[in-house]
Amino acid sequence: AQKVTQAQTEISVVEKEDVTLDCVYETRDTTYYLFWYKQPPSGELVFLIRRNSFDEQNEISGRYSWNFQKSTSSFNFTITASQVVDSAVYFCALSWAGNNRKLIWGLGTSLAVNP
Amino acid sequence: GAVVSQHPSRVICKSGTSVKIECRSLDFQATTMFWYRQFPKQSLMLMATSNEGSKATYEQGVEKDKFLINHASLTLSTLTVTSAHPEDSSFYICSARNSLYLEQYFGPGTRLTVT
Repeated sequence: AQKVTQAQTEISVVEKEDVTLDCVYETRDTTYYLFWYKQPPSGELVFLIRRNSFDEQNEISGRYSWNFQKSTSSFNFTITASQVVDSAVYFCALSWAGNNRKLIWGLGTSLAVNP
Repeated sequence: GAVVSQHPSRVICKSGTSVKIECRSLDFQATTMFWYRQFPKQSLMLMATSNEGSKATYEQGVEKDKFLINHASLTLSTLTVTSAHPEDSSFYICSARNSLYLEQYFGPGTRLTVT
């Protein structure tokens, strides 16, 4: 079965703390794609990153970093030195070549960064 | 990133009336558009996938006669909620992609309230 699990429903941190959002996926396909999206209180989903199954390189973009490990089927997202503006719901999603690029979504992790 | 607009952002209608929501890709041609529904504090639920010039493919359990989708051009898709009822009240979100983008880009969403 194709599935995305975000075990953390809600996380609350204080500003400047580092926080890691977990994402575990299941797929039968050898070629697949993993995504992270941010949904701030305004509701609009913002694309953060896509990672292809054949590219296990980790990625850093400013305060954001992603750790993709096929051995554990995980694609975790770390925010360093969190800020109040990072408060949002973060979704991890999975897609593969055979499903018309539909996204399978995790349930999301609600992150609250408190001043 | 690519820009997707959605109109209206909010709509209130009376039970029994129909409502049309527009989704436009502003700076790219969208060969595929997706329509989602999201309930409060929940993940996204895919309603249908539409490819330009073809009939939409609806997910199981989604009434195609109630949720009419048209994707007549490479930059515009519409979702019409026919004979709306209070249980149709929700946050409706569209997304778009083309062969250049493996990721989906999302519109800002439409909050529908049926009274």
